[in-house]
Amino acid sequence: GESVGLHLPTLSVQEGDNSIINCAYSNSASDYFIWYKQESGKGPQFIIDIRSNMDKRQGQRVTVLLNKTVKHLSLQIAATQPGDSAVYFCAENMGGSARQLTFGSGTQLTVLP
Amino acid sequence: DTGVSQDPRHKITKRGQNVTFRCDPISEHNRLYWYRQTLGQGPEFLTYFQNEAQLEKSRLLSDRFSAERPKGSFSTLEIQRTEQGDSAMYLCASSLTVGGQNIQYFGAGTRLSVL
Repeated sequence: GESVGLHLPTLSVQEGDNSIINCAYSNSASDYFIWYKQESGKGPQFIIDIRSNMDKRQGQRVTVLLNKTVKHLSLQIAATQPGDSAVYFCAENMGGSARQLTFGSGTQLTVLP
Repeated sequence: DTGVSQDPRHKITKRGQNVTFRCDPISEHNRLYWYRQTLGQGPEFLTYFQNEAQLEKSRLLSDRFSAERPKGSFSTLEIQRTEQGDSAMYLCASSLTVGGQNIQYFGAGTRLSVL
């Protein structure tokens, strides 16, 4: 079946650098995407979302980019901090009456001192 | 704390026993979801309620699993005759659709270990 996937399982960055986490999706009917952060022992925490009628959305230190042509989603974190170390998931809502989210397997971000 | 609350946080049980988990959503949220997460994987959808109505169920939700949301507030997820393969983190989320957004807020989960 169609699913969300991630390019890299792990990512290490130096503190203060920018991080880019990528995600590929295959369901062209998906109309809503969310990035979540999950720290060890905790539930996923909402970071930022984007609807399919947008290409870019910015939050505090985070930017999500959506390229519908190649079905690609990315999360950019500016000035990465130690507290950003976590697993990051992208999730898609497949549109229509469906309300559940389909998650990828996640990228482990490690911030190096 | 006004977030999604789940109880218990951890549950250890023997194979064949029944277990029940509880989820208290954010108070004004009308939608409630259950997901299952295994180590190293993203959450997988199990079922979804709008108010007290169970509107969708995943094929993952076998006959041994049942969920209720009797008054449209808290929800329970019961697993009967547990199997070792049921060991996972069970996550609850709630949402309130506003302006086309459907942000699901998650609880900390209940970690189930079946021995």
